[in-house]
Amino acid sequence: DTEVTQTPKHLVMGMTNKKSLKCEQHMGHRAMYWYKQKAKKPPELMFVYSYEKLSINESVPSRFSPECPNSSLLNLHLHALQPEDSALYLCASSQVYQLYNEKLFFGSGTQLSVL
Amino acid sequence: SQELEQSPQSLIVQEGKNLTINCTSSKTLYGLYWYKQKYGEGLIFLMMLQKGGEEKSHEKITAKLDEKKQQSSLHITASQPSHAGIYLCGADGSGNTPLVFGKGTRLSVIA
Repeated sequence: DTEVTQTPKHLVMGMTNKKSLKCEQHMGHRAMYWYKQKAKKPPELMFVYSYEKLSINESVPSRFSPECPNSSLLNLHLHALQPEDSALYLCASSQVYQLYNEKLFFGSGTQLSVL
Repeated sequence: SQELEQSPQSLIVQEGKNLTINCTSSKTLYGLYWYKQKYGEGLIFLMMLQKGGEEKSHEKITAKLDEKKQQSSLHITASQPSHAGIYLCGADGSGNTPLVFGKGTRLSVIA
């Protein structure tokens, strides 16, 4: 199994809603990532988890709350989002977290629309 | 911080033609990655290049790394409609930042 599975594929939410994005991998990877991608832009790193601990937070607003309950699962909890947060949210994993020569496997993404 | 510039930004080629996409880095490259993305979907890993002069091929796609020029090229031979998509180069970031991406090259292949 070389897949990273993201659910849901599409999500529409209001600015007062609370929702969660889910990501799952069964490759035994110990590093997991959240990227945000706006239309016609490259993916931008949000968070990195290494061995279930948050290693990097790229100054992401607190309305985005990541969680890594175990080595296979990564969640992104959303609360009080703004319309400008509408984007494709990509989850990725790698064997370990290291700065060089680490291949990332990406999920197919969750397309989020905030109304 | 690491910056990657891709050229061209977009490309339309006729089916069967060859094409080349370039990726130039603002800093020394320690690892260079090529990914492909269909619109609104995830990224599919194509190749990783680690050493200057390294060249890798997969089916009709060849990537090369020129470490001195801090540049990589992706060459597609005899393009097909299945090659259409967005090609992103990625490189290991500087400091504590892992993989960063170029802005991508949008490829369309017309019959």
